[in-house]
Amino acid sequence: EAGVTQFPSHSVIEKGQTVTLRCDPISGHDNLYWYRRVMGKEIKFLLHFVKESKQDESGMPNNRFLAERTGGTYSTLKVQPAELEDSGVYFCASSSLTDRAYEQYFGPGTRLTVT
Amino acid sequence: RKEVEQDPGPFNVPEGATVAFNCTYSNSASQSFFWYRQDCRKEPKLLMSVYSSGNEDGRFTAQLNRASQYISLLIRDSKLSDSATYLCVVNQAGTALIFGKGTTLSVSS
Repeated sequence: EAGVTQFPSHSVIEKGQTVTLRCDPISGHDNLYWYRRVMGKEIKFLLHFVKESKQDESGMPNNRFLAERTGGTYSTLKVQPAELEDSGVYFCASSSLTDRAYEQYFGPGTRLTVT
Repeated sequence: RKEVEQDPGPFNVPEGATVAFNCTYSNSASQSFFWYRQDCRKEPKLLMSVYSSGNEDGRFTAQLNRASQYISLLIRDSKLSDSATYLCVVNQAGTALIFGKGTTLSVSS
């Protein structure tokens, strides 16, 4: 079974530019989460989709971040315009809606560097 | 006060040693508890869920004390391949995971 995949694996952009990260969850997983790890800090929650609906976006840092999950399959996270403090590793995770919903499986992450 | 606190280490132990990690959490409403393992520059991977009755998976034993809001992980007979960062994680059912900063373990020969 294919795991969670993320694209790109690395992205280096300049301050003020736009970047879009993509996450493909495990097939059949309706829960999709975005997390971020900033250097030296713990992994922190950004938002949670159930199918195509945003269930919880309390972790989104500000309105420069926009997440979508059209059709309830893959998700994108856009940062526009990027700032230096947005640098970090962005992880996506997915879980089943019913069977062991608490077990979240993580993708390999996108390492974002804003210069 | 952080929601999940762990001793960051590093813990440097020889092969074959027994090592214990501790973790405390602040939200008494937390319902699910986990240990994740994260290798350098990789994603977190679920190591084991933690239950009130305690649970064991091979060389790994996890314990939960809800009254003290304390979670532990014991690794027996450490292997070189156990070297990693161990993340203590809690959540309320179906919601976001809350991570500790992790405890780094280095096992040497």
